[in-house]
Order: sequence, then structure tokens, then C-alpha cells
Amino acid sequence: EAEVAQSPRYKITEKSQAVAFWCDPISGHATLYWYRQILGQGPELLVQFQDESVVDDSQLPKDRFSAERLKGVDSTLKIQPAELGDSAMYLCASSLGRSEPLHFGNGTRLTVT
Amino acid sequence: DQQVKQNSPSLSVQEGRISILNCDYTNSMFDYFLWYKKYPAEGPTFLISISSIKDKNEDGRFTVFLNKSAKHLSLHIVPSQPGDSAVYFCAAYSGGGADGLTFGKGTHLIIQP
Repeated sequence: EAEVAQSPRYKITEKSQAVAFWCDPISGHATLYWYRQILGQGPELLVQFQDESVVDDSQLPKDRFSAERLKGVDSTLKIQPAELGDSAMYLCASSLGRSEPLHFGNGTRLTVT
Repeated sequence: DQQVKQNSPSLSVQEGRISILNCDYTNSMFDYFLWYKKYPAEGPTFLISISSIKDKNEDGRFTVFLNKSAKHLSLHIVPSQPGDSAVYFCAAYSGGGADGLTFGKGTHLIIQP
């Protein structure tokens, strides 16, 4: 079964440094999502793409976070500068469209020290 | 404000018995509901879904019930197996606006031998 690929699996960075995460969705999935999950909480949507366009980034802290999906396929999420409160699991997901299940990658566990 | 609520952080059930996980929602615009299962260090995996036009959906050992008037849904697992031990997330799509899923905080299901 096709999977959503994410890298790296784990990232440790010092606060004020820049960090980037990469996601390759399932082939043919036009919709791509980035979620953040803090331990003990459910995933929270950061940004949603339809092809290369941002559909929803209302919960993305735009002063430090940016996301792009330049060719409508893979995507990068960047944090600059990282803060201690950014420590979390960053999950990428893709779907065929609305009301279709999201398929998640295994995430990137970020620790900011 | 939590729009999807899972009020039981954990649930312990004996192997072979029925597991019932509950979820309440507040947003009347939600029209499609999903359950995800998550093991440690992995991304959430889609389990089962239900549209708001139905009140029950069944897939093998898993059945989801939806009570729209009470804004409540539940996931039944019968019989419970040791491999069912995981965190279960309830999630919902809204009928309007962006398409991202809204998740609850999750319920940690523990199946005891």
C-alpha cells in the first residue's frame, strides 16, 4: 500500500535555529495537510494545500512558520526561529479530496532545546 | 474551544469483551466523521468513517454509531484483541469552509489479557 513519506523522523535543534521538514504524499493525492500534535493532544491543522495552492493556513504561526508545495507534489514546512514550545510531532497527510480519509505519514518528532 | 471532545483519556477492557469509545461534538456543520488509531511513534491510521446521513456503519469488528440529535458518536470494537491497544482519535469534517479534519484529544485503549 502506498504511503506518505516524511523526513527526518527525529530532529533535535536549539531554540532560535531554523528547521525544515519534508513530505511526499501518496501519488495522485491533490490535497496535502500539515498537522502538529503535542503530547496528550489530538493533531491540529497547520496548513492545507490543494495542488500547489494554500487552502487554509489560518492556524499557521506565520511569523515563524512557512510552508510550500511548489510543484503540487512534495511539500516543505519550515520553522525559523524555533522556540521551545514548538517541540511536538509534525504530521503530514494527504487525501484524494473532501470527505476522503486522510492518510498520514509517520511524522517528524521535533525537540527544541 | 474543543469542537470534538473525547472525555475519557483512557479505557481499560478485558480481551474478548466489547470496547466502547465515545466522542461528542459541538459544531452542527460537521457532516462526516472518522475514527483513527495511533500506535506510538507512528502516524494515525484510518479505521472507519460515517456520513451524517447514516446512523451506523460496520466494518468487521468495528462499528461506528452516530446520534445526530445528541451530537454523539461511538466506536464499538467486538471482540477486543491485544493488538487493539492504541490511542483512538475521533475526527470530523465540516460541511463548509476548509476541508481539514478536526480531531479530539484521543482515548488510550488498553486491552488486558
